[in-house]
Amino acid sequence: AQSVTQLDSHVSVSEGTPVLLRCNYSSSYSPSLFWYVQHPNKGLQLLLKYTSAATLVKGINGFEAEFKKSETSFHLTKPSAHMSDAAEYFCVVSEGGSQGNLIFGKGTKLSVKP
Amino acid sequence: EAGVAQSPRYKIIEKRQSVAFWCNPISGHATLYWYQQILGQGPKLLIQFQNNGVVDDSQLPKDRFSAERLKGVDSTLKIQPAKLEDSAVYLCASSLVGQVVTKNIQYFGAGTRLSVL
Repeated sequence: AQSVTQLDSHVSVSEGTPVLLRCNYSSSYSPSLFWYVQHPNKGLQLLLKYTSAATLVKGINGFEAEFKKSETSFHLTKPSAHMSDAAEYFCVVSEGGSQGNLIFGKGTKLSVKP
Repeated sequence: EAGVAQSPRYKIIEKRQSVAFWCNPISGHATLYWYQQILGQGPKLLIQFQNNGVVDDSQLPKDRFSAERLKGVDSTLKIQPAKLEDSAVYLCASSLVGQVVTKNIQYFGAGTRLSVL
């Protein structure tokens, strides 16, 4: 069965410092992996996706993630945090195909201090 | 393009009452999903439609939850009767359907926050 584990429920950084949100996955097949962001009272927005092309994936707003099969990880990073990055981030796995069911992690809340 | 529309945004009911949520997906999206997001957790899929047919409802509590997408466009999710543990945000998402997974990006609405007292 496929699953994702987000290793931190809450991460706090100062504005201008790097962001690292950690995610490990478990999948029997070659997975597709996603990061979604959820701002308060807003819908989930796709940040980036990995679908077996390049292992380093660039997303919106300066975020990127690296797929490491040997470590079963898909950590999300950003070189310099901005106040507007404060939100909940979800790591998601899908075994693809026409159904493409998404399995969400429990989320990591990112706080950004001025 | 217009996004996924959901209504109402908030709903407060007492236990054992019934409630319905509405979702209008992005135009042209054949696949529609309903998710339940309990506070502090990630969304969990309740039901998936492709056009007006159900693809997956394995996690839908069918004794109290029902959903329909009669014309293959908008959809309603109903809870009857509601329990305290149904308090959650109900998210609707839609996507194009294809054999290539890159087309299967799901776009989410803002959700309906349900409080059962």
